[in-house]
Amino acid sequence: KAGVTQTPRYLIKTRGQQVTLSCSPISGHRSVSWYQQTPGQGLQFLFEYFSETQRNKGNFPGRFSGRQFSNSRSEMNVSTLELGDSALYLCASSPDRGTGYTFGSGTRLTVV
Amino acid sequence: GQQLNQSPQSMFIQEGEDVSMNCTSSSIFNTWLWYKQDPGEGPVLLIALYKAGELTSNGRLTAQFGITRKDSFLNISASIPSDVGIYFCAGQGGSEKLVFGKGTKLTVNP
Repeated sequence: KAGVTQTPRYLIKTRGQQVTLSCSPISGHRSVSWYQQTPGQGLQFLFEYFSETQRNKGNFPGRFSGRQFSNSRSEMNVSTLELGDSALYLCASSPDRGTGYTFGSGTRLTVV
Repeated sequence: GQQLNQSPQSMFIQEGEDVSMNCTSSSIFNTWLWYKQDPGEGPVLLIALYKAGELTSNGRLTAQFGITRKDSFLNISASIPSDVGIYFCAGQGGSEKLVFGKGTKLTVNP
């Protein structure tokens, strides 16, 4: 059974650019959550999608957005990148609310 | 916002020793989760706890959901070199959002 797949694994962008990260959940999982991990702040919740609807959102600026497609794949977008957006972005999927979150290996974003 | 206090921040132990780490919160959680993260990888779920007072084991790992629903601990018995990594606790309240502790970095000396 394939795990949670995140692409790309590594990304380098310039300040002011935008970026799109992709997450393919485990087959059959309908819930996809995104987290940002930095050395200073740790793991912070970004948002969660279920059946193409955003159900929950963390305390991040509007530059951070996401969406989920009908096949449960999800993308997150960060516009007008800032140096402080450099982080490991993790995606987690689960069959439904509150059960069995499985994380992907993450996308390491570096903003220069 | 909700915060978890995880301690200790780091531990240096000898192979074969037992390890204990814990998390406390000012908020009540319905679920407590313990994850391990290796460098360059995402967190891997070790143990999930769904009921106050629940004590669950997974091999050499044992975790408990505190009676007050505001704390949890993880014990590792007879540590081995592959136990090295960062351990995170996570709490889940009424929504799908997980609130994570800052992590405990474990170093095991052979």
